[in-house]
Amino acid sequence: GQSLEQPSEVTAVEGAIVQINCTYQTSGFYGLSWYQQHDGGAPTFLSYNALDGLEETGRFSSFLSRSDSYGYLLLQELQMKDSASYFCAVRDINDYKLSFGAGTTVTVRA
Amino acid sequence: DAGVIQSPRHEVTEMGQEVTLRCKPISGHDYLFWYRQTMMRGLELLIYFNNNVPIDDSGMPEDRFSAKMPNASFSTLKIQPSEPRDSAVYFCASSPQGHEQYFGPGTRLTVT
Repeated sequence: GQSLEQPSEVTAVEGAIVQINCTYQTSGFYGLSWYQQHDGGAPTFLSYNALDGLEETGRFSSFLSRSDSYGYLLLQELQMKDSASYFCAVRDINDYKLSFGAGTTVTVRA
Repeated sequence: DAGVIQSPRHEVTEMGQEVTLRCKPISGHDYLFWYRQTMMRGLELLIYFNNNVPIDDSGMPEDRFSAKMPNASFSTLKIQPSEPRDSAVYFCASSPQGHEQYFGPGTRLTVT
């Protein structure tokens, strides 16, 4: 099975940078994904890392270290619309299921 | 593409009634996933299909839950009989390869 740990809450001001860490334990790791969910909305895909290193997509970047079983999502130039929950999810090498973390609630203040 | 379509968006029913949730995945996506989200348990995978075939239903809580995918463009999740503890938001998601999943808007189910 899989277990994931991520902080429950983060608060920051507009324009700041936020890093959301995710550590995981899994019997067979394939890749790490990140999803964003606004209150009352559906999760939306942000990024996926299968290999070590940094993936950049606009203001958001995601990093993976397979040897450390660790990844993070970096949110830059924070905007009010970035206030949401962010979930890391791991895919097992043996199937196509995703196991989601409990989520990190990011609150952006003016 | 319209994205993943789910219906109904909201469902309120009484305990003991049958509930059927519907999902139309994105055309061309081979994988379809049903999730349940609650404050207490977070986002849980119930079952997933590959090419209309159920692959893993280990997350289905009990025999009251069943899911079908009769063709590539339609899936149902049925709860019979429903109980108050089934109250949750149920999401359907589809994917071309598994790790990049596209979620529907969800069905908010309330069982009284």
